[in-house]
Amino acid sequence: LAKTTQPISMDSYEGQEVNITCSHNNIATNDYITWYQQFPSQGPRFIIQGYKTKVTNEVASLFIPADRKSSTLSLPRVSLSDTAVYYCLVGALRSNDYKLSFGAGTTVTVRA
Amino acid sequence: GAVVSQHPSRVICKSGTSVKIECRSLDFQATTMFWYRQFPKQSLMLMATSNEGSKATYEQGVEKDKFLINHASLTLSTLTVTSAHPEDSSFYICSARDTRAYEQYFGPGTRLTVT
Repeated sequence: LAKTTQPISMDSYEGQEVNITCSHNNIATNDYITWYQQFPSQGPRFIIQGYKTKVTNEVASLFIPADRKSSTLSLPRVSLSDTAVYYCLVGALRSNDYKLSFGAGTTVTVRA
Repeated sequence: GAVVSQHPSRVICKSGTSVKIECRSLDFQATTMFWYRQFPKQSLMLMATSNEGSKATYEQGVEKDKFLINHASLTLSTLTVTSAHPEDSSFYICSARDTRAYEQYFGPGTRLTVT
C-alpha cells in the first residue's frame, strides 16, 4: 500500500476555501486516491475519489497532478460543520486484495 | 448511497464477558467486510478482513481467538469480543465493500465500554 503524508491539522474560517494536500510518492499504476471525512464517534464518510486530473462533486474537488505523487482536496466555502478529520487513502481499488489503511489524517477546524 | 448499519451502537459489558457486534449492508451485497478499531484521538486501525464463507484474515498483532469474526452471508458480518477486558474498550467500526461498484462504505460504529 502506498504510504500517505498529510498535515496533522489546519485551521480555517467560515466561508474560506480549505485545501489539504496529501503526498503519496509511491503510488502505483493501479492505485486510486480516496478521501474520507470523519466526525467524532461516527464512521468515516466518503467524500471524493479520483485517479488523475480533476474530479468535482457537490461537496469537494480533488486535484491530481500528472505524476500522481500528490493530491489536493479542496473544500469550497467551509462552514463550522466541516470541522472534522479528513483522511487521504491510496490503493488498488479494483483489486480483490484491496483494503483501506488509514493514516493519521488532517484535523480541520473551522472557526466563526 | 449505500448504507451499512451496526448493532448495537453502544454497549457496556463487564470484564470477562463476551460481546457480539453486527455489521449489515442494507442495500447491497458485500463479499468483503472489514473491521476497524479506533481509540480516542487516534486513526482507524484495520483489525481484520472478513470474506463471506471463508475464514477472516487478521492483521498483525490482532488476536484471532479474542476477536472472532463470522461472515455467514453476503449482508452480515459479526465481530465477537471474547473475554473482554477494559483495554478492549474502544470504538469499533465495520465497512463493507460493494464489489460491483468497487466502493467501500462504513458503518456508524459501536462504542464498547468494558467495566
